[in-house]
Amino acid sequence: DVKVTQSSRYLVKRTGEKVFLECVQDMDHENMFWYRQDPGLGLRLIYFSYDVKMKEKGDIPEGYSVSREKKERFSLILESASTNQTSMYLCASRAGHRWEGGITDTQYFGPGTRLTVL
Amino acid sequence: QKEVEQDPGPLSVPEGAIVSLNCTYSNSAFQYFMWYRQYSRKGPELLMYTYSSGNKEDGRFTAQVDKSSKYISLFIRDSQPSDSATYLCVMSDRGSTLGRLYFGRGTQLTVWP
Repeated sequence: DVKVTQSSRYLVKRTGEKVFLECVQDMDHENMFWYRQDPGLGLRLIYFSYDVKMKEKGDIPEGYSVSREKKERFSLILESASTNQTSMYLCASRAGHRWEGGITDTQYFGPGTRLTVL
Repeated sequence: QKEVEQDPGPLSVPEGAIVSLNCTYSNSAFQYFMWYRQYSRKGPELLMYTYSSGNKEDGRFTAQVDKSSKYISLFIRDSQPSDSATYLCVMSDRGSTLGRLYFGRGTQLTVWP
């Protein structure tokens, strides 16, 4: 089974702090994603990575950066945390899934990190 | 307009009821349609996936896609309290950058005993 783990389940930080959220997957997937999930807004893509040292902006990259130094690890960085970054952060890893219709993309999610910025 | 629209609910039904969850979308390039289930304080997990129009059944769950109407549904038969979760409809066009997914906002379902 694919396993995606995130470094913390709950995190409380102060405004202005630098915050690191870590994600690790154990299935040698090339693609990894960071989302935030907010009530009424659903999942929104922050950044994604095709491969080691590769990254692309998603829909809401402002205030975030990412790092992918090793294939299994994808880090999300809040350079200077603000209260509007209080949210649930979800990491995902992508596998091509072969079935009778061809190949589709399945993303496997970690358990999430609930971040509160005071 | 958001590309994927989903009624957030909440939806509350008694055990044994048939549940219908629905989404509409605007991008005609979407070809792959998925449903994810998310339990409270957990990450989403893939429940079902379908390609193009038609039905797919897996146990008590049936996924239905009508591409002509840009409408997808998930039916749950004989619903159980363990089905209580948020259900996300998710789509992919495969022509976008490396399998990016597009999510509905999720429908919160409660099945009471």
